[in-house]
Amino acid sequence: DGGITQSPKYLFRKEGQNVTLSCEQNLNHDAMYWYRQDPGQGLRLIYYSQIVNDFQKGDIAEGYSVSREKKESFPLTVTSAQKNPTAFYLCASSISALSGNTIYFGEGSWLTVV
Amino acid sequence: QKEVEQDPGPLSVPEGAIVSLNCTYSNSAFQYFMWYRQYSRKGPELLMYTYSSGNKEDGRFTAQVDKSSKYISLFIRDSQPSDSATYLCAMSEGAQKLVFGQGTRLTINP
Repeated sequence: DGGITQSPKYLFRKEGQNVTLSCEQNLNHDAMYWYRQDPGQGLRLIYYSQIVNDFQKGDIAEGYSVSREKKESFPLTVTSAQKNPTAFYLCASSISALSGNTIYFGEGSWLTVV
Repeated sequence: QKEVEQDPGPLSVPEGAIVSLNCTYSNSAFQYFMWYRQYSRKGPELLMYTYSSGNKEDGRFTAQVDKSSKYISLFIRDSQPSDSATYLCAMSEGAQKLVFGQGTRLTINP
């Protein structure tokens, strides 16, 4: 089945550790995104990538890093510099960066700092 | 002022009722409007997609866009318990960056 796969579903991180969230899509979409969702704040864009080997910061990129070495993959690293990393993280993709393309989401990853 | 405002609710209605969910926005350049449904602890799924002003119907769901008032709505007819979820509006100017509302938590009571 075509779709977006995020892993792990649940992740616990100790303070001071970096963690990497995986996102893989088999939809042949060019564009990929990472969002963070906190209660009562909707979705906020962390990073996005329009094509392989290119990505741009979103609204809340500080403390996060990404790579886009393959079209199918867009991993997100939550670094120790992210002061409040506990949240629900959503990966998404769209056909291209052309106007009007809708975004499709994965099932999300829950990150908790312990 | 946020670019997109959405009443977070919660909204609770009896089964079979007509539900109206709304968003207002401030950016007159928005052209593409979407509604997503998100079940608890799941990723959002695209429900409705509308370009510019007008209405779009899909089964029990109707999306309305009024660009002159900067106001969009999602109507759910004959609401079912399975419609209980958080509904997110989203919109864009045409570039890939979507702006989301906060989401409205809806509960349909049997």
